[in-house]
Amino acid sequence: DGGITQSPKYLFRKEGQNVTLSCEQNLNHDAMYWYRQDPGQGLRLIYYSQIVNDFQKGDIAEGYSVSREKKESFPLTVTSAQKNPTAFYLCASSKAVASNNEQFFGPGTRLTVL
Amino acid sequence: GNSVTQMEGPVTLSEEAFLTINCTYTATGYPSLFWYVQYPGEGLQLLLKATKADDKGSNKGFEATYRKETTSFHLEKGSVQVSDSAVYFCALRGSNAGGTSYGKLTFGQGTILTVHP
Repeated sequence: DGGITQSPKYLFRKEGQNVTLSCEQNLNHDAMYWYRQDPGQGLRLIYYSQIVNDFQKGDIAEGYSVSREKKESFPLTVTSAQKNPTAFYLCASSKAVASNNEQFFGPGTRLTVL
Repeated sequence: GNSVTQMEGPVTLSEEAFLTINCTYTATGYPSLFWYVQYPGEGLQLLLKATKADDKGSNKGFEATYRKETTSFHLEKGSVQVSDSAVYFCALRGSNAGGTSYGKLTFGQGTILTVHP
């Protein structure tokens, strides 16, 4: 079945450590996105990528980094510079950024900093 | 910039009650409007959408009409079920007059719906 997978489902990290969240899609979509979800705040865009080897900062990119070496993969690294990293992280993809196509979401990764 | 405001939650209803979740927006250009649903522990699923004024999106008994004059996209369902319990997000995506989307989704804060038997 086509879709988006995120791993792990739950992730615990000690303060000061970097951690990488995985996102893979087999929908052959060009565009991929990372969102952060906090209680009562909806979703906020961290980074997005329109095509392989390209990515753009979203609204809250500070303390995060991404790479897009392959079309199907868009990993997100939460660095020690992110002051409040505990949140639910959602990855999404769509056929293209500049289009009216639907964004499909993965199941999410819940990151907790201990 | 673009913004979306949803009614404060949580909303608690009995089964078969009528549901309205209000959503208003601020945007330049000609936005497309969406409702997403998030069931416990899962990602978001697109529930319905409308891409131009007066369009009505509908799915699974839910409806929402794109009202440009009131900048609203309220979600309604005539008779809710326990299985509708979830978090509902209103969202918009900006676009120009030619319909070219700017891609980014702007989300409201989400409304928690709980339906009791």
